[in-house]
Amino acid sequence: QSALTQPASVSGSPGQSITFSCTGTSSDVGDNDDVSWYRHHPGKAPKLMIYAVSNRPSGVSNRFSGSKSGNTASLTISGLQAEDEADYYCSSYTSSNTWVFGGGTKLTVL
Amino acid sequence: QVQLQESGPGLVKPSQTLSLTCTVSGGSISSESYYWSWIRQPAGKGLEWIGRIYHSGNTKYNPSLKSRVTISIDTSKNQISLKLSSVTAADTAVYHCARVLAGWEAFDIWGQGTMVTVSS
Repeated sequence: QSALTQPASVSGSPGQSITFSCTGTSSDVGDNDDVSWYRHHPGKAPKLMIYAVSNRPSGVSNRFSGSKSGNTASLTISGLQAEDEADYYCSSYTSSNTWVFGGGTKLTVL
Repeated sequence: QVQLQESGPGLVKPSQTLSLTCTVSGGSISSESYYWSWIRQPAGKGLEWIGRIYHSGNTKYNPSLKSRVTISIDTSKNQISLKLSSVTAADTAVYHCARVLAGWEAFDIWGQGTMVTVSS
C-alpha cells in the first residue's frame, strides 16, 4: 500500500482560510468514508481533528471542516490562528482492512 | 480521561527484536467500542501504520511489516505490546500506540510516543 499524497507545506496569514488536500486511490480514500485528519505538534501526541470525512470530535473547533470528492479528501481551516501551526496528516482505512497515512503537510502561519 | 503511555528500550541493536508496551489508564482495554493500534514515525518522515489488535486478540498488520511484527494484548494489565523482529536502522522511529474508534476507523487517542534507535 502506498502512502496518501499530501503537499509538503502550506502557509497562510492569520484570519485566512486554507485547504489541505489528501489524494489516494480507489482502494483507500475512494473506497469508503473512513478518512480522518490529525494535527501533530512535534514531540506531542497527534490529535484527531476530523473523522469519517467530515465529523468533528467533541472539543474540536468548528473552524475545522472536512470533505471528500472521489479519491481526494480535503481539510479546511478557517480563521487561521497561530496555534494552528503544526503538521497535518490524513489517514484512510483501506479495502484490505488496513490503514494508510499521508506524508503530512507542514502548516506555517505567517 | 483515557491516557496511553508507551514504554520500552530506547536503543536496540541491529538484527535484534524491538519490544514496546503501551499502558492504558482511565479506561478498559476490553471495551468493544474500541481497538488498539501501533503507529510509527521515522525522523523527518510521515506516519506509518504498523498494526491493530482487538480485545479478543485478533490482529491485522501492515503487509510491509507483517513477517516481523507481533502485537498482543494483556487485558489483566490493560496493556498492548509490540514486537518487531530483525530490526535495522530503517526501523529507527518514534513509536506511538493509539486507540481506534470502532466503526469509524479513526485514531482518537494517542500516546506521546517513544523514540527507538536501532544502532550497534
